[in-house]
Amino acid sequence: GAGVSQSPRYKVAKRGQDVALRCDPISGHVSLFWYQQALGQGPEFLTYFQNEAQLDKSGLPSDRFFAERPEGSVSTLKIQRTQQEDSAVYLCASSSRPSPGQVSYEQYFGPGTRLTVT
Amino acid sequence: KQEVTQIPAALSVPEGENLVLNCSFTDSAIYNLQWFRQDPGKGLTSLLLIQSSQREQTSGRLNASLDKSSGRSTLYIAASQPGDSATYLCAVRPRLTGGGNKLTFGTGTQLKVEL
Repeated sequence: GAGVSQSPRYKVAKRGQDVALRCDPISGHVSLFWYQQALGQGPEFLTYFQNEAQLDKSGLPSDRFFAERPEGSVSTLKIQRTQQEDSAVYLCASSSRPSPGQVSYEQYFGPGTRLTVT
Repeated sequence: KQEVTQIPAALSVPEGENLVLNCSFTDSAIYNLQWFRQDPGKGLTSLLLIQSSQREQTSGRLNASLDKSSGRSTLYIAASQPGDSATYLCAVRPRLTGGGNKLTFGTGTQLKVEL
């Protein structure tokens, strides 16, 4: 089946503009994650959804960042009044509910959206 | 706070060489550790996942080991090929109540396998 998809793949925004990044998880996956990856760094956690509930948003760097998943499938990460330091690759990942007796489960990543703020 | 470190940051080897990538983490209270591969401009591809109760996992030419008590994992690549050139990332999932399933990543090892 199809993997995790993200759009757009590339986004150039002028400083101060608002942007919206979309993630389509693997069908049936209940968990969805957003990560931010700066150049030369590993991804850093932003936020986590289980179905439509946002259970952890501790990684969002400021109140300019907002994420939603209203129907428990597609998710949107919105960044308001973009700043140069927001330039990064934004990765989305999804995972399924673990099987009985399974402790944890893998996250499957999309190709990312490269955001450049000029 | 969990911190994950990968050594070396970059590695260049001739084709056919066996190599080891290292990953260390500061908090041993983990559910699992995962190794990923990232190609330029692309997302992450999962290579191996080791549960906290396991010592190693193997897939083809790849073998990953986990020593949870010492906070270390290694990824062994046998008979390296130019197609193995990529950045390799390790990530740990914490065993914390309410910690969810977020992964903490290292900064990666950039591998180049030369002809």
